[in-house]
Amino acid sequence: SQTIHQWPATLVQPVGSPLSLECTVEGTSNPNLYWYRQAAGRGLQLLFYSVGIGQISSEVPQNLSASRPQDRQFILSSKKLLLSDSGFYLCAWSGGTGAQGGQPQHFGDGTRLSIL
Amino acid sequence: KQEVTQIPAALSVPEGENLVLNCSFTDSAIYNLQWFRQDPGKGLTSLLLIQSSQREQTSGRLNASLDKSSGRSTLYIAASQPGDSATYLCAVSQISSGSARQLTFGSGTQLTVLP
Repeated sequence: SQTIHQWPATLVQPVGSPLSLECTVEGTSNPNLYWYRQAAGRGLQLLFYSVGIGQISSEVPQNLSASRPQDRQFILSSKKLLLSDSGFYLCAWSGGTGAQGGQPQHFGDGTRLSIL
Repeated sequence: KQEVTQIPAALSVPEGENLVLNCSFTDSAIYNLQWFRQDPGKGLTSLLLIQSSQREQTSGRLNASLDKSSGRSTLYIAASQPGDSATYLCAVSQISSGSARQLTFGSGTQLTVLP
């Protein structure tokens, strides 16, 4: 069966510090990978998605970046964190899709990021 | 731009009651609609996925329906239990690039089932 792992579960960082959140998927190959952010009082916002190694699409301009160095590894990074980067970050994966319909997205347990 | 709305924002019911959660979306050109459950401080658990060609999906006490033409979906929970207490999110998917499917989420309905 497929599993998705995110770490760390919680993180407290000072403003201006760097960030690296990691997500890995097991039990599947060539998944689509996604990073979402859930800010307090707001819905989930798609930040990045990837359809393959080294292929990253950004949905929202910001000081965050994403990388996919391996097929089942997705990393969210920042060089300098802002207060507004606080939130709950979720990684998700989905299988490849055919010409019609789509596969469900499956989520990790999330990382709670607090910026001081 | 797709917008997804969920009503009500919060709902409190006594145990055993049947209930309906509503989800509406503005652009009917979707591939599928997915219902999720989120417990406090946790990630999302996928409950049901309805493809655009389908009208409904069932899993145990849950039944989700989809009326794509009117931009609406409902999640029906039968015989609610305190363990059903959580935030329920609906999300619709539209193609973005290649085979990726971008999900647009509603802001959720916070359900409390009282024992």
